[in-house]
Amino acid sequence: NAGVTQTPKFQVLKTGQSMTLQCAQDMNHEYMSWYRQDPGMGLRLIHYSVGAGITDQGEVPNGYNVSRSTTEDFPLRLLSAAPSQTSVYFCASGPAELVLNYGYTFGSGTRLTVV
Amino acid sequence: DAKTTQPTSMDCAEGRAANLPCNHSTISGNEYVYWYRQIHSQGPQYIIHGLKNNETNEMASLIITEDRKSSTLILPHATLRDTAVYYCIVRVGGNDMRFGAGTRLTVKP
Repeated sequence: NAGVTQTPKFQVLKTGQSMTLQCAQDMNHEYMSWYRQDPGMGLRLIHYSVGAGITDQGEVPNGYNVSRSTTEDFPLRLLSAAPSQTSVYFCASGPAELVLNYGYTFGSGTRLTVV
Repeated sequence: DAKTTQPTSMDCAEGRAANLPCNHSTISGNEYVYWYRQIHSQGPQYIIHGLKNNETNEMASLIITEDRKSSTLILPHATLRDTAVYYCIVRVGGNDMRFGAGTRLTVKP
């Protein structure tokens, strides 16, 4: 059981480039989300999804796009990378009825540097 | 969702109980209290959650006051590996979860 898998683990981008951060879970979780964490800060919610075909914005959605075509995958797209998007990105998943179980499972993160 | 207030940092001696407080005075009746922790730069790890009653699992205990305006996470016998940032979050289950700055717990030998 792999849990939540994020790829790549590290990435360096040039300003203006685009890329997709991948997130996959094998627990059949309805809920998935993306967070970013800047140095010394807490996590901030970017986008989330409560099921395939359904996405919504979090606290800091600007500059990012998401889609949810399958239950398993929730990719995060950076349209035109900026140095302000240098951060560690975490993906999380959980069943829809969160209160009935153990809470969210997080991936190990993608460390992104934009130069 | 209700906001939470946690101390910025705390120290604890190895082998002693670590008591991490959280204030959530504006919590609503249907909001749960969740605790997560983040060790180094790893992804956050779920610890425990509760609504009204005190809860205990293999990792920790959660004590919620009767008026639900505050709670305490208890690590009964802290080890060096419990050094982490601990996040207290209150929210209605099933939707997005938002993290604050948390409490940086340092367990000292």
